[in-house]
Amino acid sequence: NFLLTQPQSVSGSPGETVTISCTANRGNIASNYVHWYQQRPGRAPTTVIFEDNQRPSGIPDRFSGSVDSSSNSASLSISGLRAEDEADYFCQSHEGANVAFGGGTKLTVL
Amino acid sequence: QITLKESGSTVLRPTQTLTLTCSFSGFSLSTSGEGVAWIRQPPGKALEWLGLIYWNDVDRYNALLRSRLSVTRDPSKNQVVITLTNVDPLDTGTYFCARSRSISPYYFDSWGQGLKVTVSS
Repeated sequence: NFLLTQPQSVSGSPGETVTISCTANRGNIASNYVHWYQQRPGRAPTTVIFEDNQRPSGIPDRFSGSVDSSSNSASLSISGLRAEDEADYFCQSHEGANVAFGGGTKLTVL
Repeated sequence: QITLKESGSTVLRPTQTLTLTCSFSGFSLSTSGEGVAWIRQPPGKALEWLGLIYWNDVDRYNALLRSRLSVTRDPSKNQVVITLTNVDPLDTGTYFCARSRSISPYYFDSWGQGLKVTVSS
């Protein structure tokens, strides 16, 4: 199975930068796009980064995405951390028709 | 503006069949490239992709659930229906439908609010 692994939790203080990793268990993560979703409690996910590093309209440039083939992982970075960024974040990609979501990372703003 | 909304049976007994409808607006499944996917989330757990269907009736499924799943479309009603047979308490969770276009395969750019489904004896 194609799997994506994320840390269970990360935290940071307001104004700091946090990075969430997403590591694929096989293949080349750069072969297909990685997308990142933010989910607040009781709400549907919304996109913060799509196609590795693209921001939807309305998402501030504090959010950025990257992919690193050498570690077979993608990363979501959030700079200038704000209280409103506290949420769960999921990465997602696919290998052929096998779609995988990461297990999710809970971001806590201290 | 794109909107999607899930509806259907929310409480089931084991072995029953789950049927959910996704009603959407702002795009058409008669338009080349358009698709609708289903994703679910057990309580407190990660998202799990179930399947999707495109404008041309091509469908794709999570291999682990393929034998129990069916996704069909009714472009005239702007609806997509998912059927999951022989449900089990492990199928409990929130079910989301989402738009997915073939131009960016398996990217879900707009989501419904989700529908909570409980399977219990």
